[in-house]
Amino acid sequence: EVQLVESGGGLVQPGGSLRLSCAASGFTFSSYWMHWVRQAPGKGLVWVSRINIDGIGTTYADSVKGRFTISRDNTKNTLYLQMNSLRAEDTALYYCARFDYSYGHGYFDYWGQGMLVTVSS
Amino acid sequence: DIQMTQSPSSLSASVGDRVTITCRASQSISSYLNWYQQKPGKAPKFLIYAASSLQSGVPSRFSGSGSGTDFTLTISSLQPEDFATYYCQQSYRTPYSFGQGTKLEIK
Repeated sequence: EVQLVESGGGLVQPGGSLRLSCAASGFTFSSYWMHWVRQAPGKGLVWVSRINIDGIGTTYADSVKGRFTISRDNTKNTLYLQMNSLRAEDTALYYCARFDYSYGHGYFDYWGQGMLVTVSS
Repeated sequence: DIQMTQSPSSLSASVGDRVTITCRASQSISSYLNWYQQKPGKAPKFLIYAASSLQSGVPSRFSGSGSGTDFTLTISSLQPEDFATYYCQQSYRTPYSFGQGTKLEIK
């Protein structure tokens, strides 16, 4: 059974840092691109970042570029999101998601349960 | 960036009704369009990829169509468990944008 379990969230002051982790199991983690998607309270889904299978290729939303860093450790089957210079508008539930393909079409087929990050003084 | 716009934002319907949700992309995305269902307090659930291909295990009352810029999600006969928020998402180009969501409520 595919499982994605996030951890590391919590309350942080503006300007602070936090690192989220996403522990993967039930599939060959090193074979899949992985993503982070966030959802502010009561709002919709917003794509944040992605990382390729070897961790070399990364992409970010403009809103987090230069502040967030996505990474992975394929030996530990774990995805990370290092979040620096946090702002109130970064307050959200953060989901890690597996990205799969079928006939060239990609989609998020498995999601973690989400981890709440609250940025407030 | 590609903007995704869903309509309506909310919809009231009854069990057994047929409902359609529309998603429009700000530029052509071919058929790189996915649909997700989200219930309160839960992670999104993947329903449809490539505009019209049903994910394994998703009931056949769900269907999708469209290509280019205009897409639809149809539920042929609403069941109690279908009341949720639905999101479209384009996987044509990063940033992989989502629609704002359509909340399907019980009438």
